[in-house]
Amino acid sequence: QVQLVESGGGVVPPGRSLRLSCVASGFTFGTYAFYWVRQAPGKGLEWVAVISFDGSNKYYADSVKGRFTISRDSSKNTLYLQMNSLRVEDTAVYYCAREWNGGDYWGQGTLVTVSS
Amino acid sequence: DIQMTQSPSSLSASVGDRVTITCRANQGVSDYVAWFQQKPGKSPKPLIYAASSLQSGVPSRFSGSGSGTDFTLTISSLQPEDFATYYCQQYTSYPLTFGGGTKVEIK
Repeated sequence: QVQLVESGGGVVPPGRSLRLSCVASGFTFGTYAFYWVRQAPGKGLEWVAVISFDGSNKYYADSVKGRFTISRDSSKNTLYLQMNSLRVEDTAVYYCAREWNGGDYWGQGTLVTVSS
Repeated sequence: DIQMTQSPSSLSASVGDRVTITCRANQGVSDYVAWFQQKPGKSPKPLIYAASSLQSGVPSRFSGSGSGTDFTLTISSLQPEDFATYYCQQYTSYPLTFGGGTKVEIK
């Protein structure tokens, strides 16, 4: 069955970096685009970034542009989110999702807490 | 960016009630709208795509309608497991954007 499993979250001080991973299984990874969405505590959903099926196109939310980088490794069926210069306002649960018809499969999420 | 305005932000309803949630886009998005259900501590669950198509495994009491700028999610007969927060999303262009959410609570 289709599965997306995120990892890499944790507690980091402001200004530091963190890399999130999302391992996909149960389908042909290289056929789909993927995106990251985050949800701050008690808040709604915020789209973060998307990467095309072949990695050639990437788009970012203005709030993370220049600080976050989305990438993928088809040999490992893995999606990444490199997060640099983290801010307190980046604190959230981060979800990866397969971009098909808006997002047909989502992972369980990984919590990132930015705090001194 | 396309803004999605969802209403109401919360509602109270009883089991068996018909519930309607609306979502309005500030520009046309054709039918590129999805709806998600989220329960506390869980990831969003896809319900509807292309404004009116049911995701696999979603009960038929859920339905979606609309095109252009105005969209609706309807639950025909609210069940105990339907108490949750619902989000609309447009996926016609980046950045993808979500509505602010509608929390459906027990009356």
